[in-house]
Amino acid sequence: NAGVTQTPKFQVLKTGQSMTLQCAQDMNHEYMSWYRQDPGMGLRLIHYSVGAGITDQGEVPNGYNVSRSTTEDFPLRLLSAAPSQTSVYFCASSRQGGLDGYTFGSGTRLTVV
Amino acid sequence: SQQGEEDPQALSIQEGENATMNCSYKTSINNLQWYRQNSGRGLVHLILIRSNEREKHSGRLRVTLDTSKKSSSLLITASRAADTASYFCAATGNSGYSTLTFGKGTMLLVSP
Repeated sequence: NAGVTQTPKFQVLKTGQSMTLQCAQDMNHEYMSWYRQDPGMGLRLIHYSVGAGITDQGEVPNGYNVSRSTTEDFPLRLLSAAPSQTSVYFCASSRQGGLDGYTFGSGTRLTVV
Repeated sequence: SQQGEEDPQALSIQEGENATMNCSYKTSINNLQWYRQNSGRGLVHLILIRSNEREKHSGRLRVTLDTSKKSSSLLITASRAADTASYFCAATGNSGYSTLTFGKGTMLLVSP
């Protein structure tokens, strides 16, 4: 049982480049979320999904896009990378959203130069 | 926002001692959850306490919730070096259960 799998683990981008952070879960969870973690800031919600085909914005959505074509996958797209997007990104999934615990991936450490 | 705020920001204790971390939140909640994050790793769900519960136990963990003070505490008894990690509280609001809002965390260092 793999849980939540994030790829890649590390990435360096140049300013202006685009890329997709991958997230997949094998627990048949309906709820999935993307967070970014910055020093001293805790985790901030970027986008979330309550099921295939349904997404919504979180606290810090600017510069990011998401889609949810299947229950398993929830990719996060950086449209035009900026140094302010240097962060650690976590994907998480849950069966009942905030009504039970979330399972987190191991994270993607992104540096934008 | 249901943001939790942990206190203290950092805590340093010896093995065998108890560690207590506190969390305050702003508005009414459905539940409050605690997570652990080891350095460089993802978060791990520890325990969930619902708004109609006052105390919950799981192994060496004890969580209390005081909805009148909008606060929660996490007690780790008989701490071990392996408990060294950051601990986060996260709240689910009463309207809309889709997401969690996290605090900034307490960094716990347990020395042998």
